[in-house]
Amino acid sequence: DTEVTQTPKHLVMGMTNKKSLKCEQHMGHRAMYWYKQKAKKPPELMFVYSYEKLSINESVPSRFSPECPNSSLLNLHLHALQPEDSALYLCASSPMGLYEQYFGPGTRLTVT
Amino acid sequence: ELKVEQNPLFLSMQEGKNYTIYCNYSTTSDRLYWYRQDPGKSLESLFVLLSNGAVKQEGRLMASLDTKARLSTLHITAAVHDLSATYFCAVSSEYGNKLVFGAGTILRVKS
Repeated sequence: DTEVTQTPKHLVMGMTNKKSLKCEQHMGHRAMYWYKQKAKKPPELMFVYSYEKLSINESVPSRFSPECPNSSLLNLHLHALQPEDSALYLCASSPMGLYEQYFGPGTRLTVT
Repeated sequence: ELKVEQNPLFLSMQEGKNYTIYCNYSTTSDRLYWYRQDPGKSLESLFVLLSNGAVKQEGRLMASLDTKARLSTLHITAAVHDLSATYFCAVSSEYGNKLVFGAGTILRVKS
C-alpha cells in the first residue's frame, strides 16, 4: 500500500460544529503532517508528528487540534471554526529524515 | 528563515515550445522537491533532488539542482496540453521534516 488516504473528501460545517478529519497511511512512515491550502496558494504547514509525538506546531489556532493515535493514523479535530478556515486540508507522510513527503487527496472544508 | 522563490508565477506556452521554471532558495539545503498539482487535486511528487548537480528527467520534464547557486530549474521540452497544471518547488528546512514551498507556477499550454 503506497498511498495516503483522507476522509471525508468534502465537509461543510457551521461555526458551532465539531468535526474531525482523518488521515491514514500504511507505508510504515513515522512522520505525518497536516497542511492547509487556500486557492492559488502553496500548502502551509500546520502540524508535524514524528514517532507519534507532536514535533512542530506552526502557531495554529487552538480551534484546530491534532491527534496521532498510532503510527498509521492522524486526526485533525475542528471546533468553532471561522469562514476563513475554509480551505483544502492536506495530510502527508514521510519516512523520518530528509525524505519526500507523500500527500493524500485532501479534504475540501467549507465553513458556513 | 528559509525562503523559496519561484518564477515565473504564471506561464502561458504554445504547444511544442520549450521553457524553464526557476526556483531559488535562501539558505543551505541539499534536498529539493518538485510537485505538480492539478486544479482541485492533491500534490503529485515529480522529482526529488538530493545533491549538487543532480539531474532527473521524466518524459518532457527535466529538473536540476545547483546547491552552490541555491537554484533548481524545471525544464519543459516540447510542451503538450496535458502538462497544464501548477508546479511547486519545495525545500527541506534544516530540520528536514519541514518543507517550505515556493509560490507555485501556473502553467497553461495552449494548442
